[in-house]
Amino acid sequence: QKEVEQNSGPLSVPEGAIASLNCTYSDRGSQSFFWYRQYSGKSPELIMFIYSNGDKEDGRFTAQLNKASQYVSLLIRDSQPSDSATYLCAVISNTDKLIFGTGTRLQVFP
Amino acid sequence: EPEVTQTPSHQVTQMGQEVILRCVPISNHLYFYWYRQILGQKVEFLVSFYNNEISEKSEIFDDQFSVERPDGSNFTLKIRSTKLEDSAMYFCASSEARGQPQHFGDGTRLSIL
Repeated sequence: QKEVEQNSGPLSVPEGAIASLNCTYSDRGSQSFFWYRQYSGKSPELIMFIYSNGDKEDGRFTAQLNKASQYVSLLIRDSQPSDSATYLCAVISNTDKLIFGTGTRLQVFP
Repeated sequence: EPEVTQTPSHQVTQMGQEVILRCVPISNHLYFYWYRQILGQKVEFLVSFYNNEISEKSEIFDDQFSVERPDGSNFTLKIRSTKLEDSAMYFCASSEARGQPQHFGDGTRLSIL
């Protein structure tokens, strides 16, 4: 069974701090990695995607991928209260379906 | 920015009734998907669709489910005889190509009574 694991949280960080969200996946054949943000009662919103080992930066967000360790992370710099949401890690293996983790709830307090 | 649109936003249906959920994917996207999320649980894949046929379906997508692209813009999910356990948020998604980012619609909340 291909799985994606995340700590459910909540992860609480003060405003302005760096939030670090982590994800591991079981299938070594996984090729594409995504981070979605989901506010309560809303749909997943694509934040970042990464295909190659290393870091990828977009504004305040950095995605990091380590295929050898089967590990992907998301860093959010200068965290804002509006970043408070559930962050979903999702992986595509050799098929085209997204396999989601359960998500990590992030709380940014003023 | 182009987006995936879904209708209705909320559907309430009696158990055993048929329901059709509608989606308009992003116009230049070729790959279409349905996912569902039961309250408090993870997002689960149901089915993927490309070139007018199902590419892959999950164990959840049994004979009660079907998908169709009736015209050049709509993509529908039909549940033939709904059960209580079908109550969930149903999300449509689309992508430009296989393995590329999938963009989600706002979802349809399906409530089975």
